[in-house]
Amino acid sequence: DAGVIQSPRHEVTEMGQEVTLRCKPISGHDYLFWYRQTMMRGLELLIYFNNNVPIDDSGMPEDRFSAKMPNASFSTLKIQPSEPRDSAVYFCASSLSYKGEGRWEQYFGPGTRLTVT
Amino acid sequence: KQEVTQIPAALSVPEGENLVLNCSFTDSAIYNLQWFRQDPGKGLTSLLLIQSSQREQTSGRLNASLDKSSGRSTLYIAASQPGDSATYLCAVGVLGWAGSYQLTFGKGTKLSVIP
Repeated sequence: DAGVIQSPRHEVTEMGQEVTLRCKPISGHDYLFWYRQTMMRGLELLIYFNNNVPIDDSGMPEDRFSAKMPNASFSTLKIQPSEPRDSAVYFCASSLSYKGEGRWEQYFGPGTRLTVT
Repeated sequence: KQEVTQIPAALSVPEGENLVLNCSFTDSAIYNLQWFRQDPGKGLTSLLLIQSSQREQTSGRLNASLDKSSGRSTLYIAASQPGDSATYLCAVGVLGWAGSYQLTFGKGTKLSVIP
């Protein structure tokens, strides 16, 4: 398997623009997580899905952030409108809840570095 | 709310030394604990996962221990090499309602191994 795939790897946009980040989880994994990493706050969980259904979005910072998972192989994180303080690295991760010893081990994508000017 | 602390924030050692990275967590009701490695500008690579019922896990030169009752984990790296230079993150996994699961991360220890 190719692992978790994220696109784009880098995104530079102007304040007020819409940004869409994309993620393809590992095939067969039933959980998908979106994280944000900044120097100040470290890695923070934004939202996660189980079998394409959002389970907990309490980490989403504002209504400007939204996430969808239309099918088992694709998820998006959208920011509209974007602001400079949204600049961070956004990671997607997936895991499998139904497997013995490796249960819940999370596999991360390479991240999307977002810069909002 | 679970809080995860990693000490030290940065560590510099000469090549060949054995070293220990520390991780502490405030709520001992955990399901598992995972150690990750992050290289600059890259994603996270899972190194070791310890279930709450286990005391330690080993992979090559790495050994992770877990003392759930005291809220501590350590990552031991034997015979360090310059290629071990990276940031090491500890993350605590908790099972919630209806089988939900979340990881809470520490801020990491930045390791530099000097040739």
